Amino acid sequence: EADIYQTPRYLVIGTGKKITLECSQTMGHDKMYWYQQDPGMELHLIHYSYGVNSTEKGDLSSESTVSRIRTEHFPLTLESARPSHTSQYLCASSGTEKPYNEQFFGPGTRLTVL
Amino acid sequence: QKEVEQDPGPLSVPEGAIVSLNCTYSNSAFQYFMWYRQYSRKGPELLMYTYSSGNKEDGRFTAQVDKSSKYISLFIRDSQPSDSATYLCAMSRGSNYKLTFGKGTLLTVNP
Repeated sequence: EADIYQTPRYLVIGTGKKITLECSQTMGHDKMYWYQQDPGMELHLIHYSYGVNSTEKGDLSSESTVSRIRTEHFPLTLESARPSHTSQYLCASSGTEKPYNEQFFGPGTRLTVL
Repeated sequence: QKEVEQDPGPLSVPEGAIVSLNCTYSNSAFQYFMWYRQYSRKGPELLMYTYSSGNKEDGRFTAQVDKSSKYISLFIRDSQPSDSATYLCAMSRGSNYKLTFGKGTLLTVNP
């Protein structure tokens, strides 16, 4: 079944740790996105990719980095986590079928940095 | 001024009520308008999609776009407890442009 996966679902870590949030999709989509979502706030785009070896920063400045070595995989890395990074991180993908803007979201990773 | 404004609620209604959810926007270049539904601890999923102005109906859901007023609405008829979720509006300038989201409105439908 075509889907988009995120692991871990929940992560509690201490300050200064390096973390990688995983995102994989089996939908065959070229475009992938990372959003940050805080309670009562808009989804903010922090990274996006339109294909392999293509990554761009989004509208919200983030200390995280991303890579796109394989079409289906779009991991997000924080080299040194801080309490200000505590948030929900959502991964999404979109393809070339109509409606062209439809983004399919993963279940999210809720990150807490102590 | 934010590009997209959405009242975060919360909104609580009895089962069977008609629900009206709204967003306003400032960027006249937006042409694609979407409503996403997000259940607790889940990712958003696309509910309705409209291009340019007009109405679109899908079962109990109706999406309206008024580009002259820069105002979009989502109506839910005969609301059900299973409709309890956060509803996010989203819009885009074009098919290859990024989405801009509203804050989302938390809806609770009470049995």
